[in-house]
Amino acid sequence: QQPVQSPQAVILREGEDAVINCSSSKALYSVHWYRQKHGEAPVFLMILLKGGEQMRHEKISASFNEKKQQSSLYLTASQLSYSGTYFCGTERSGSARQLTFGSGTQLTVLP
Amino acid sequence: EAGVVQSPRYKIIEKKQPVAFWCNPISGHNTLYWYRQNLGQGPELLIRYENEEAVDDSQLPKDRFSAERLKGVDSTLKIQPAELGDSAVYLCASSFDTTNEKLFFGSGTQLSVL
Repeated sequence: QQPVQSPQAVILREGEDAVINCSSSKALYSVHWYRQKHGEAPVFLMILLKGGEQMRHEKISASFNEKKQQSSLYLTASQLSYSGTYFCGTERSGSARQLTFGSGTQLTVLP
Repeated sequence: EAGVVQSPRYKIIEKKQPVAFWCNPISGHNTLYWYRQNLGQGPELLIRYENEEAVDDSQLPKDRFSAERLKGVDSTLKIQPAELGDSAVYLCASSFDTTNEKLFFGSGTQLSVL
């Protein structure tokens, strides 16, 4: 079952912060985050595991709330290069590496 | 290190025609994935290989789609015959194994069926 991402789109100015959420109705084992720029391949950002710690990639960090089956991606002091579509991919407990992606959140950072 | 290589980059065909996509994963990566990405959507898994074995093809429309990964390296995805609804970007990805591994995606093949 596809995870739900919110918001669908966000526009912010360079230096502002943003939060992208990903939620599932099923028990999750892991959450993956990828960023895709227009016309390019998705690029891996980080993996959060059940029972694991908050992860960080440059000024982007993420958390995983196992009880709520939710993950949040935090973009701090956003840069122009952060623009793109962010996808979360969820792996359900016992699903043997079946990664299901959400519909994405389109992030636009303006100068 | 070379990334995941896909070809062709673009393909335009008429409906009912056959089409094939090719993927060369990163050297040493045992797991290979084919995803389909519709406009404005996230990638959807079509098939996953571990070496030469298809271990998850539950989402592959087997009446018209087929895939192979000979010798556990390169892979080909075929559609025959193509339908209008097959227009999408077909992404290939690879990972070293299937244990909490990040996926490396290729640039994809953008298919337009007219």
